[in-house]
Amino acid sequence: AQKITQTQPGMFVQEKEAVTLDCTYDTSDQSYGLFWYKQPSSGEMIFLIYQGSYDEQNATEGRYSLNFQKARKSANLVISASQLGDSAMYFCAMRGRDSGGSNYKLTFGKGTLLTVNP
Amino acid sequence: GAVVSQHPSRVICKSGTSVKIECRSLDFQATTMFWYRQFPKQSLMLMATSNEGSKATYEQGVEKDKFLINHASLTLSTLTVTSAHPEDSSFYICSASRFSGSVDEQFFGPGTRLTVL
Repeated sequence: AQKITQTQPGMFVQEKEAVTLDCTYDTSDQSYGLFWYKQPSSGEMIFLIYQGSYDEQNATEGRYSLNFQKARKSANLVISASQLGDSAMYFCAMRGRDSGGSNYKLTFGKGTLLTVNP
Repeated sequence: GAVVSQHPSRVICKSGTSVKIECRSLDFQATTMFWYRQFPKQSLMLMATSNEGSKATYEQGVEKDKFLINHASLTLSTLTVTSAHPEDSSFYICSASRFSGSVDEQFFGPGTRLTVL
């Protein structure tokens, strides 16, 4: 079974500063993928960044970077130069095979509500 | 590219009625679609995985007779909530899977907010 843990229910950050959102995971799969999604109050899920388990370099996408520490099973999201529009719910997710082994499925963490203060 | 739509975006119905939600991949063919449920201030919980032309695979604890899923084509999956009750009120989100390079990527629809009176 796969498990994603996000221990920060809420985080606050000042505009223009950097913030790290924590995510740890547990899986017995050798091959897996880790995702971060942003969910604003409108409800849509916005894909931010992806890290494959065999990727040796940390993923980066603009102001988003993923601090992947495989031995510690952590995949923290770093947002640099925070903007007011970054205020939203952030979910960490893991992609792995379902119990039948025929489909990939995503398992989500409980999420972290980020508030960016002006 | 990779746009997924859902219809309706919001629905209010009376207890005991059935509600159908459509999920469409607009610019790609999706062999697999997923249905999630999200209660307020909670995470997304996978309800079922739907493959075109075959029966959906339901997660443990999800009643297949209550949440009917039909994946009629590579671009359309529907979720029907039968005999809805107030406890079925929730935010339902679908996603469609597309294999891109080495990544099996999921693209999410905008969600459907169901309120059962």
